[in-house]
Amino acid sequence: DVKVTQSSRYLVKRTGEKVFLECVQDMDHENMFWYRQDPGLGLRLIYFSYDVKMKEKGDIPEGYSVSREKKERFSLILESASTNQTSMYLCASKGRGTYEQYFGPGTRLTVT
Amino acid sequence: AQKITQTQPGMFVQEKEAVTLDCTYDTSDQSYGLFWYKQPSSGEMIFLIYQGSYDEQNATEGRYSLNFQKARKSANLVISASQLGDSAMYFCAMRILNTGFQKLVFGTGTRLLVSP
Repeated sequence: DVKVTQSSRYLVKRTGEKVFLECVQDMDHENMFWYRQDPGLGLRLIYFSYDVKMKEKGDIPEGYSVSREKKERFSLILESASTNQTSMYLCASKGRGTYEQYFGPGTRLTVT
Repeated sequence: AQKITQTQPGMFVQEKEAVTLDCTYDTSDQSYGLFWYKQPSSGEMIFLIYQGSYDEQNATEGRYSLNFQKARKSANLVISASQLGDSAMYFCAMRILNTGFQKLVFGTGTRLLVSP
């Protein structure tokens, strides 16, 4: 079974704090993704990575950065958290040559 | 623009009945794929079913089937014999190529409630 884990299920941070969201997959997948999910908007792609140290911007990268130093780990960084970044964050991974993305359980981030 | 539209914010169905969740898509690509994911209240996204644009037969996975009508650009999910555990959010998504990489575009979701 593919397993994608995220470091926290719930997180509360203050405005201006630096926030790290961690994602780990155990299936040696090349591709990893970060999405945010908001009611009425579905899932929107923030960043993705197709290999170690490689990254591409998604549809809403502003205010976020990412890091992929090891194949199994993909981190989402909020340099200076703002209240409009309160959301559910979902990580996913996908093997090369396959279509299906496997998702983690999500992190519900609240910025106050 | 590539887009997924789910026009039903919520659907109700009685246990053991069938239900259809609507999904229409917009793309100019000839090669694409369509997915359905289920998201229970616990939050994780669970893959249900996939249909490729060149697949001639509708995809089926157990109680799930995808009613693919290419000319109408629709990819509706049919759940037969609904169960209480089917209550969840359901998302339709499309695989597209963007700057040489594949990515998924999601609809806004449909909340399904199955009643006893």
